[in-house]
Formats: sequence, structure tokens, C-alpha cells
Amino acid sequence: EDKVVQSPLSLVVHEGDTVTLNCSYEVTNFRSLLWYKQEKKAPTFLFMLTSSGIEKKSGRLSSILDKKELSSILNITATQTGDSAIYLCAARNAGGTSYGKLTFGQGTILTVHP
Amino acid sequence: NAGVMQNPRHLVRRRGQEARLRCSPMKGHSHVYWYRQLPEEGLKFMVYLQKENIIDESGMPKERFSAEFPKEGPSILRIQQVVRGDSAAYFCASSPPTGANYGYTFGSGTRLTVV
Repeated sequence: EDKVVQSPLSLVVHEGDTVTLNCSYEVTNFRSLLWYKQEKKAPTFLFMLTSSGIEKKSGRLSSILDKKELSSILNITATQTGDSAIYLCAARNAGGTSYGKLTFGQGTILTVHP
Repeated sequence: NAGVMQNPRHLVRRRGQEARLRCSPMKGHSHVYWYRQLPEEGLKFMVYLQKENIIDESGMPKERFSAEFPKEGPSILRIQQVVRGDSAAYFCASSPPTGANYGYTFGSGTRLTVV
């Protein structure tokens, strides 16, 4: 059975801190790794990673995939209170009837205090 | 482009009633995915549909749950004879016919509460 595990489950930091969120996966027919941010409503897309070792960056957020270690990290620098959310990691299948199916981790709850 | 539209946003049902959740995909998208999020948990895949076809329903409970995506109209997730354990947020995502080489866009979800 496909599995995605995130750590830590929760994290409390102060504004300005840097955080690293971890995601490991065991997925047959792996295609890509996605990160989402979920506040009170729908998950909003952050990154999709397909190639190992290539960092993707968006403002203070960055992410990288390690296919050898079957893992990914999401970094947030200079955290702000608006970064408080649940961060979800998902692995996407390729091919067959599972094409496009996402297997999600349980999420990391990030709380940023002023 | 209105994005993925789900309705209702909130739905309250008594035990034993039926719940119908609707999802209208983004314009031009013919693939729909349903996910369920139980309290304090990540999203769990339920079903993947294309127009008039169920492609993968490996995440659907064996009883009481069904899904469809007709040629015309929204995709429907139907839960018959709801129980308290069905209380959750149900999210829908869509992608174009060629698949998605980007992150799926999710709707805002339907929060089902069974009382």
C-alpha cells in the first residue's frame, strides 16, 4: 500500500525563524511529489517536484526532492504569522488506473507566534 | 475561470439520511478526484472519475458510497444512510484530459456533519 509520512506532526516557532518540514514516501509507480498549504479551506498548491536534486523556490519557500532517499523537504525562511497552516505533502502515481492519484501524508501543523 | 466549485459548503444530515455532494470541475477539465479529510488527518483518496467512467474507486468504502460524473452536469458523491463516522470534509479536484503536469486545484470542500 502506498504511504507518505510527514514529520514533525506539529511545530511551534517564532516569527523570523527558519523551519524545515520533512516528507518521506513509499509509492509504486512514483511520478511526482507535491506540497500544499491548507489554512481553513481547500489545500492550495505550493510546489510539484519531479526531478531529484533540483530546488524549487517561491519567495521564502523552497523545496527539493531526493529520489534516492524517497524524501522531500520544504523550507520556510523568515517565518511570518501568515505561514501558520497545515502543510501537506502528497505523492502522485503515474500510469494505469492510478494515474494522477495523490497519496497524502498526515500533514505538519505549523504555528508561528509573533 | 471559476475554478473547482463544490456545493454545498456545509451540509448537516441526520443519521440514516442521504448526502449528495456536488463538484463542478474547472472549465476544460474532464478528470475529477474526490478526497475525504477526517478531523486531524490528511486527505485520503476516494475515487477518480472521467466523464461517464469510474477509473479508480479503490479508496471508496464498499457500502453506502457511490460517485458519478455524467456527460452533462457536475460530479456527484452520494452517501446513503449516513452515520456519524461519515462526518468529514470532502474535497474535489480536477485535471485536464492530458493529465496534470502541475498541482491539482482543489475545490473549497463540503463539510458534512452527521447528527
